Amino acid sequence: DAGVIQSPRHEVTEMGQEVTLRCKPISGHDYLFWYRQTMMRGLELLIYFNNNVPIDDSGMPEDRFSAKMPNASFSTLKIQPSEPRDSAVYFCASSLQAGVSNIQYFGAGTRLSVL
Amino acid sequence: GDSVTQMEGPVTLSEEAFLTINCTYTATGYPSLFWYVQYPGEGLQLLLKATKADDKGSNKGFEATYRKETTSFHLEKGSVQVSDSAVYFCALITGGFKTIFGAGTRLFVKA
Repeated sequence: DAGVIQSPRHEVTEMGQEVTLRCKPISGHDYLFWYRQTMMRGLELLIYFNNNVPIDDSGMPEDRFSAKMPNASFSTLKIQPSEPRDSAVYFCASSLQAGVSNIQYFGAGTRLSVL
Repeated sequence: GDSVTQMEGPVTLSEEAFLTINCTYTATGYPSLFWYVQYPGEGLQLLLKATKADDKGSNKGFEATYRKETTSFHLEKGSVQVSDSAVYFCALITGGFKTIFGAGTRLFVKA
């Protein structure tokens, strides 16, 4: 398997613009996670899905952030409008199962810079 | 709530030195414990794990033992290489679906 695939790898945009990040999980994995990584706050869980259904979005920072998973092989994280403080590396991860043996497989991340 | 505390970095070592990265946790129930590694420009990947007390996880020369009495899961390697330079994350899961990550410890290994 190709692993978790994220696109784009880098995104530079101006404040106020809409940004869409994309993720293709590993085939057969039922769980999908979106994380944000910054120097100040470390790795933060934003939202996760089980079987395409959002289960916990308590980590989504504001209404400007939204995530969807229209099918088992695709998810998006959208920021509208974007702000400079959204600059971070955004990771998508997927896992086969829940519970204490849950191993997450991460994509390479999208580095977002909002000017 | 559940949490993971790691030693602050960066940790700088010479090649072939002994490595210890400390990790302690607070959790209800009986967590599984993990070490993930992030190489430059990449996502996190699982390094090793342990699912019950006294288990030892090992991989690529790295080891960590699940110590319930001290709520610790310290990462060790007997002889580090330049290629081990990365950020190491300690993490836990307690029966739910959320993995709780530590802040990460950056390791630099000099030739």
